[in-house]
Formats: sequence, structure tokens, C-alpha cells
Amino acid sequence: TAGITQAPTSQILAAGRSMTLRCTQDMRHNAMYWYRQDLGLGLRLIHYSNTAGTTGKGEVPDGYSVSRANTDDFPLTLASAVPSQTSVYFCASSDKNTGELFFGEGSRLTVL
Amino acid sequence: GQNIDQPTEMTATEGAIVQINCTYQTSGFNGLFWYQQHAGEAPTFLSYNVLDGLEEKGRFSSFLSRSKGYSYLLLKELQMKDSASYLCAVMDSNYQLIWGAGTKLIIKP
Repeated sequence: TAGITQAPTSQILAAGRSMTLRCTQDMRHNAMYWYRQDLGLGLRLIHYSNTAGTTGKGEVPDGYSVSRANTDDFPLTLASAVPSQTSVYFCASSDKNTGELFFGEGSRLTVL
Repeated sequence: GQNIDQPTEMTATEGAIVQINCTYQTSGFNGLFWYQQHAGEAPTFLSYNVLDGLEEKGRFSSFLSRSKGYSYLLLKELQMKDSASYLCAVMDSNYQLIWGAGTKLIIKP
């Protein structure tokens, strides 16, 4: 069972460049999320989507954009990367009945 | 503001019992989750509490007191593989999850 697939697993990016982190789920969950995880801090929500065609801003949305063209895919784009965006990024989807989150394996991004 | 507090790090001995506490202050409450995260891996679901009391699931139990804004995760018969970070998260009135920074649990032989 694939669950949630993220790509790339890791990436080094020059500041000012753009980057899209891909996320695909096969569980037909309506809600999807992008989090960043930094040492000493809790998971912080970047953007979310409650259903295909809709997106919303989370706690730390600046510098990031998302789209939700269909149920399965939820890409995260950094238009012009900055070093403070160095982090581990997790995509997740949630079961509407239990609220349980299912996470992808994470994408480690380093911006130099 | 909304806040989730849990200890940064705890150490316990293999075979023993450990209790990881979580206190919260959130705008509304729609349930509390515990997740386990091994180093370099994704968080995985452990438990969900929405009513007061103890939920037991094998070696792991989770307790909730809504009036006190308090939960704990109890791990029994500790094994080396239980070395991980344990994340507490509360679902607020908008059904958004607020996450604690996590408790790193170190198990010693």
C-alpha cells in the first residue's frame, strides 16, 4: 500500500531558485496538508486543502503556494527559495471519520 | 494564543514504564492525538482521545482530562525500538491540529 508518496526525498537548492515538492495519495482522502518540521519546533502547517479545488493558508504560508487540481495530488511550490526555508517538509492526508493523519516520508530541503 | 507543552527529552530503562505528559491551551477542543516519530521518519498515529479517561492499546495507553487541559502517554515494558519522539497534538474548534514540539524518548539498556 503506497499511502502518501512525496518527491524528492531530499534536495539542495540555491537561494532564489524555484522548487516544487510533489505529493500524491491513493487513499481518496479529501483533506491534505503540508507541514514543515524544524528542530525544537512542532509541526507547523503551511497550507491545507479540505477538498479538491480548494486551498487554505496555515500558520506559515508566506513564500509557499499550493494547488489541488484533483483529489490525489497536492504539490507545494517555493517560488523563490530563501535559506529560512531549509527544513523537512511533510505532506499528509486525513481520514474524515477518525481525523487520523497519514504522513508521507518527508522531503528534506536545504536552501543555500 | 494556543499552546501545547511537553517535555523536550526523557530517558528511561528497557523494561520499565514511562509517562510522557502534555498540557494544552487551545481555542476549543475536538480531540487529542499522540504520534510516534522515529528519527528521520514520518510521524505515525498512536492514539486519539476525545473523552476523559484512559484508552489502552497494548503496551501504550493515553489519558485525557479536558478540565485540566492535560494528557499523558504511558508506555509499559519499554523496548529499545520505543526510542523515538512522541508528538502531542490537539484539534481546535476549527478542526485544525496544534502540535507540541515533541518529546524525545531515549531508552537505555
